[in-house]
Amino acid sequence: GESVGLHLPTLSVQEGDNSIINCAYSNSASDYFIWYKQESGKGPQFIIDIRSNMDKRQGQRVTVLLNKTVKHLSLQIAATQPGDSAVYFCAENMGQAGTALIFGKGTTLSVSS
Amino acid sequence: DAGVTQSPTHLIKTRGQQVTLRCSPKSGHDTVSWYQQALGQGPQFIFQYYEEEERQRGNFPDRFSGHQFPNYSSELNVNALLLGDSALYLCASRLLQGLKNTEAFFGQGTRLTVV
Repeated sequence: GESVGLHLPTLSVQEGDNSIINCAYSNSASDYFIWYKQESGKGPQFIIDIRSNMDKRQGQRVTVLLNKTVKHLSLQIAATQPGDSAVYFCAENMGQAGTALIFGKGTTLSVSS
Repeated sequence: DAGVTQSPTHLIKTRGQQVTLRCSPKSGHDTVSWYQQALGQGPQFIFQYYEEEERQRGNFPDRFSGHQFPNYSSELNVNALLLGDSALYLCASRLLQGLKNTEAFFGQGTRLTVV
């Protein structure tokens, strides 16, 4: 089975709202996590990453939170815009440099104006 | 600075044929991985190349093979194509800086359709 999964397949929000996309992982050896955004017909676009020695990391309008106790990862998008509409994937690296990324199924974010 | 580039963007092949997909990594990156993404699914890891050798392999049959060249570019070869091989094939590159994981950047992918 998959070691990374997302709680909700779809999320619909209004423009200007804050969005929270969740992800659960099952491998306690994972030490590096990445969030990707994928628009239709395109490859995944790197958003933000976090290492297991951190519990929070902020970027431009995005924040990633890592809770190792419950093996949970979340992506918060502030002031969501229509251009944020896409499929969002979390991916994990399992504890060894250069190892494969394991992806979950993704959450489709729809932003209405 | 060019990102990860893949060619071709689209390809249609017949069952039983062979296909070669190409990838040029982001400038400065030394590691290339290939992923298969079926419609509505997350990318699935095929294999990874570093220093021109396959370093890690996912759960894919031997029909899937690859190569990395001295300039770090890479090819993915698939033999004896099946209808189920139809998917978006993604290449990702990263720099194994001090053997610490760093950001992996993806190309736009090659859409392979097997008929």
